[in-house]
Amino acid sequence: KQEVTQIPAALSVPEGENLVLNCSFTDSAIYNLQWFRQDPGKGLTSLLLIQSSQREQTSGRLNASLDKSSGRSTLYIAASQPGDSATYLCAVSGGSEKLVFGKGTKLTVNP
Amino acid sequence: DVKVTQSSRYLVKRTGEKVFLECVQDMDHENMFWYRQDPGLGLRLIYFSYDVKMKEKGDIPEGYSVSREKKERFSLILESASTNQTSMYLCASSLVGGAGAYNEQFFGPGTRLTVL
Repeated sequence: KQEVTQIPAALSVPEGENLVLNCSFTDSAIYNLQWFRQDPGKGLTSLLLIQSSQREQTSGRLNASLDKSSGRSTLYIAASQPGDSATYLCAVSGGSEKLVFGKGTKLTVNP
Repeated sequence: DVKVTQSSRYLVKRTGEKVFLECVQDMDHENMFWYRQDPGLGLRLIYFSYDVKMKEKGDIPEGYSVSREKKERFSLILESASTNQTSMYLCASSLVGGAGAYNEQFFGPGTRLTVL
């Protein structure tokens, strides 16, 4: 059964810092990996989707990488801002339309 | 842009009531999903629908049913609400992917349900 782990559970950084969020999964036979952002009390916003054949995807200050063989993905956030404060979730699709989610990393960017 | 809407942002119901949560998407997506999100447990899939009138159980279907009579609308039904169903409920939709490729899920704003 696929399991997705995100470490750390919480992270606090000063504004302007570059940071990396980690996601690991136990079964490397995935079709895609998706990163989401969730603000308190709100739904999930899709940030990036990486297909299994891809190694990375970029959107603005965000860059997500995927290493299927090692079961890892990272989300790199450049020049962090207080508005980046949120919970970041990763999820993998393993051969069906369904996603398996990690429990998220709560990011706080301090002004 | 894909838009997924949910009928209520906050809902308070009493134990034993029948509860309907509605979700509508405007992008002609085939797949629709219902999740619940609880602190420490993350997101868990309740039910999934891949076409009108088609459904598949997720990880925690007990105490829930679903209805999909039209492609754009997916309803979650709590037949007899209980206090342990107090949670955040999230709806999502996606296109059917091509062979070996599954598409992004897009989420609604969520419904915070409290059962007293």
